[in-house]
Amino acid sequence: DAEITQSPRHKITETGRQVTLACHQTWNHNNMFWYRQDLGHGLRLIHYSYGVQDTNKGEVSDGYSVSRSNTEDLPLTLESAASSQTSVYFCASTPGQGHTDTQYFGPGTRLTVL
Amino acid sequence: RKEVEQDPGPFNVPEGATVAFNCTYSNSASQSFFWYRQDCRKEPKLLMSVYSSGNEDGRFTAQLNRASQYISLLIRDSKLSDSATYLCVVTPEGGTSYGKLTFGQGTILTVHP
Repeated sequence: DAEITQSPRHKITETGRQVTLACHQTWNHNNMFWYRQDLGHGLRLIHYSYGVQDTNKGEVSDGYSVSRSNTEDLPLTLESAASSQTSVYFCASTPGQGHTDTQYFGPGTRLTVL
Repeated sequence: RKEVEQDPGPFNVPEGATVAFNCTYSNSASQSFFWYRQDCRKEPKLLMSVYSSGNEDGRFTAQLNRASQYISLLIRDSKLSDSATYLCVVTPEGGTSYGKLTFGQGTILTVHP
C-alpha cells in the first residue's frame, strides 16, 4: 500500500548540531509539506514543495531548510539545532493543485534538542 | 489575532451526548475549510471537509458561515472512540497558495462512560 513515512520517529540531539529528518511518500504526490506542532500553537507550516527542485518557505522557516531532488522525498534539515526547535514534526503530502485535496500526514518525528 | 481560533476545551461529555465545537477564522478570502481529527501522539487525519451548504457524515455535521467567518462541528450520540483533538483547518486565498493549511490549536474532546 502507498504510504508516507518519517524517520527517525524519535531523536535527541544537542544544541548546535545539524539534524536531518526524513520524509518519504510512495503515492507519487507532487506536493509535500513540513509542519511543527507545539502546545498552544497547533501545527505551523515550515517549508513546502510543489514538485522536484521547488521549495518554498512557510510561516516558521527560520533555521530550517529543505531540498526536493525527487518526487518521493522531502528531507528537513535543521542547520544548527536550537532548544526552541524541540517539537513534533509532521510531514504531509497531497496529490494535485486543488484546495480540497486531502492532506496525508506521516506519523511524526519527536525531536528533543538539549 | 490568530488566523484560526478554537476553544481548546477540554470538553468532557458522557457517551450519547451531543457536543458542538466552533472555530473562527480571520481571513475572509479563505478558500477551503476542514475538520481534522488527531488522536493522542498520532498524526492528524481528515475528518470532513466543510461546505457552505453544510454537510453531514453519519453522526458528524459541519457548518460554514462565511459572513461571520466561523465553522462548526456537531457530534451526535458521542462514542468513547470520539475522544480526540479536533483541529479546525483553513486554506488561504487562491493562486499559488494551494495545499497550505492553517490550523487552529485544536479542541480536546473526552467522552466518558
